[in-house]
Amino acid sequence: ETGVTQSPTHLIKTRGQQVTLRCSSQSGHNTVSWYQQALGQGPQFIFQYYREEENGRGNFPPRFSGLQFPNYSSELNVNALELDDSALYLCASSLEAAAGNTIYFGEGSWLTVV
Amino acid sequence: LAKTTQPISMDSYEGQEVNITCSHNNIATNDYITWYQQFPSQGPRFIIQGYKTKVTNEVASLFIPADRKSSTLSLPRVSLSDTAVYYCLVGGWGGATNKLIFGTGTLLAVQP
Repeated sequence: ETGVTQSPTHLIKTRGQQVTLRCSSQSGHNTVSWYQQALGQGPQFIFQYYREEENGRGNFPPRFSGLQFPNYSSELNVNALELDDSALYLCASSLEAAAGNTIYFGEGSWLTVV
Repeated sequence: LAKTTQPISMDSYEGQEVNITCSHNNIATNDYITWYQQFPSQGPRFIIQGYKTKVTNEVASLFIPADRKSSTLSLPRVSLSDTAVYYCLVGGWGGATNKLIFGTGTLLAVQP
């Protein structure tokens, strides 16, 4: 157990809809990042939040957005869903945004867009 | 940002030692090297992390040469349950390098 919990574990959405995925980071971890993992591929970095501010973003369009709350939990929102958004979405947390700190992943949320 | 290269797959037998090498020629000064294990439909699980020389924990060893352009994950006496994808990860938090780039992953298949 990594202490990183994600919800929901599975969901199905229709193209064009919006989805919100949630993540509770490990206790005390103030840095949360989100990754997208398509079937058969490695995880791709979406963005990172550090103390409620986005401080890094990967090559994803603006319809991928996020929030981090004062308790360091986080949300990933995806608008105007496309079929290619079907993937496993992973949340990861660490203590401080500092080099060398171990990053722990949750079990992910499976999103299927039909 | 450093890009990593790993073998796509490896085969082994139970009880053998497995070494998986990762190349990261463009590693930055503040980058750490981290290895994760991932089973199907699960999140990546942290195995080991290092900056230079050798690191050992209860499940694996990580060897990093002086130039840090490669690293080798060593799994002693693998079992069937070690069958998984292993990712080599290079990156650092903070500053300009604040995202982690996963390699292609190595599918390790352990046979009886």
